[in-house]
Amino acid sequence: KNQVEQSPQSLIILEGKNCTLQCNYTVSPFSNLRWYKQDTGRGPVSLTIMTFSENTKSNGRYTATLDADTKQSSLHITASQLSDSASYICVVRSGGYNKLIFGAGTRLAVHP
Amino acid sequence: DTGVSQNPRHKITKRGQNVTFRCDPISEHNRLYWYRQTLGQGPEFLTYFQNEAQLEKSRLLSDRFSAERPKGSFSTLEIQRTEQGDSAMYLCASSLSLGTGGWQPQHFGDGTRLSIL
Repeated sequence: KNQVEQSPQSLIILEGKNCTLQCNYTVSPFSNLRWYKQDTGRGPVSLTIMTFSENTKSNGRYTATLDADTKQSSLHITASQLSDSASYICVVRSGGYNKLIFGAGTRLAVHP
Repeated sequence: DTGVSQNPRHKITKRGQNVTFRCDPISEHNRLYWYRQTLGQGPEFLTYFQNEAQLEKSRLLSDRFSAERPKGSFSTLEIQRTEQGDSAMYLCASSLSLGTGGWQPQHFGDGTRLSIL
């Protein structure tokens, strides 16, 4: 069964600190993986996309990694800001599928 | 590009009533998707359209649910005889299919939150 699991379920950090969110997937065949940020009451917004051949990709303070052998991805946030408080959802596309497989998300709260 | 627009943003209705949501995708996008999201969970796929053709439906889409995209532009999602379990956020997304095997990202609207009393 195709699944995407994320950890931790929730996380509280202080402003300015770094954090890493994890995503494990059992999706085959694998096409690519995206991290989305979802603010409360809003739709998800894409942060970064990882393809099979990419190991690391950065988008500002966000850095995503992908290990296709272990089927793991991480999202590292540096120098967190209050506006980073949101849910971060890992989404995997399986080749030939037109729908995406979503993780349940990690709810991040950044406190001053 | 005004993004994906969904209306209404919130809908409160009594159990047993019918409700209809509307989604206006990004204008040049030929693919349109509907998802359902409950609290603390990621979105779950319901159905998708390429132009006006509904190409795939999830088993989550019971016979009380119907979606249309009559002219290949906006779409509507109707739920008949609503039940308590229908309470959720209903998200719409759109994307552009290039037909060359490339995958363009899905752009999401801010959803319609449905509450069943």
